[in-house]
Amino acid sequence: ELKVEQNPLFLSMQEGKNYTIYCNYSTTSDRLYWYRQDPGKSLESLFVLLSNGAVKQEGRLMASLDTKARLSTLHITAAVHDLSATYFCATQQAGTALIFGKGTTLSVSS
Amino acid sequence: GAVVSQHPSRVICKSGTSVKIECRSLDFQATTMFWYRQFPKQSLMLMATSNEGSKATYEQGVEKDKFLINHASLTLSTLTVTSAHPEDSSFYICSASSGGGGPEAFFGQGTRLTVV
Repeated sequence: ELKVEQNPLFLSMQEGKNYTIYCNYSTTSDRLYWYRQDPGKSLESLFVLLSNGAVKQEGRLMASLDTKARLSTLHITAAVHDLSATYFCATQQAGTALIFGKGTTLSVSS
Repeated sequence: GAVVSQHPSRVICKSGTSVKIECRSLDFQATTMFWYRQFPKQSLMLMATSNEGSKATYEQGVEKDKFLINHASLTLSTLTVTSAHPEDSSFYICSASSGGGGPEAFFGQGTRLTVV
């Protein structure tokens, strides 16, 4: 059974500082997704990582994937208030549904 | 990216009535659609997988007679919550895939169901 674990579940961040969210998954998978969810909204796709060593960056967010360790990280550089949201990682095996982690709720304060 | 449209975005219904939620892929053919449920401050939990033209596959613990899923065409799947009760109040999100093992999963806007 494919399982996804995220940590931390809550992250209180100070503006301007750097933080990392970790996502571990239990069985072999060739793709890893990161999503953002604002309160009352659906999911916004951030990154799709498809291969070992993949690294993608968008603004202050950078995601990486290590398929051997079954680990993905989402790194936040110089946090700003606009990044406050819940972030989910998810993985799947080809043709099946995405399985989500529990989510990490980020709160950025000045 | 591809667009998945979900309707309605919000619905309030009385206990004991049924509610239908539609999920449409607007610019691609969705061979497979997935239905998720999300309770407040929780993650998305997969309810069922529907493939066009065949019966949906439900996850363990999801009542198939209560949550009726129909995927009659390559662009439309519907979820009907029958005899809704307050505990069915939740955020329902559909996802569509064009199949072929492609890496993208496209999500609808979600439906906030409140049963009073």
